[in-house]
Amino acid sequence: QKEVEQNSGPLSVPEGAIASLNCTYSDRGSQSFFWYRQYSGKSPELIMSIYSNGDKEDGRFTAQLNKASQYVSLLIRDSQPSDSATYLCAVTSYGKLTFGQGTILTVHP
Amino acid sequence: DVKVTQSSRYLVKRTGEKVFLECVQDMDHENMFWYRQDPGLGLRLIYFSYDVKMKEKGDIPEGYSVSREKKERFSLILESASTNQTSMYLCASRGLLANEQFFGPGTRLTVL
Repeated sequence: QKEVEQNSGPLSVPEGAIASLNCTYSDRGSQSFFWYRQYSGKSPELIMSIYSNGDKEDGRFTAQLNKASQYVSLLIRDSQPSDSATYLCAVTSYGKLTFGQGTILTVHP
Repeated sequence: DVKVTQSSRYLVKRTGEKVFLECVQDMDHENMFWYRQDPGLGLRLIYFSYDVKMKEKGDIPEGYSVSREKKERFSLILESASTNQTSMYLCASRGLLANEQFFGPGTRLTVL
């Protein structure tokens, strides 16, 4: 089992819709959870971090964490074409940051 | 803002050459990391460093070495480049008490 798994994608949503990105992790001791956005040809950019169970909102982005289910998600409300990118889930696992494979999101007008 | 810079955006080298990739951060971060990113394989950790002259192997250290002589600089060395080391190389840094990790712009290395 991979340490961090993301829904395989690619995910395509219409402009204005909610995009839902999901991630599961294997280390129950994980404490820190991150979502990075990566545009094609660019480096990953941190967009959300979450450390405790529940929801964390920042503008159009909401991160959700459920440690009992070992599940973290990212919701993007009112999706825009500029949100089209690869989204990487990252988890502090076994003392280091481990990344999922990424989910490609396309928002079409 | 944290700034992490890498010496080259694009690099082309020949098989067998020694290759140096340089990374500099300006936020006095203790922790620095080197990753490679390949399609279908995601980001994989090569080496990391918690302090000057300290280094730890990541998940895929074979064929690589690192050097950290100064706190702000972390170098990745390919002793004898091979074609399977063609990849995007990403450097990152993180403060001692912080959780967030910040990336440089990346170096796309092609080994012919």
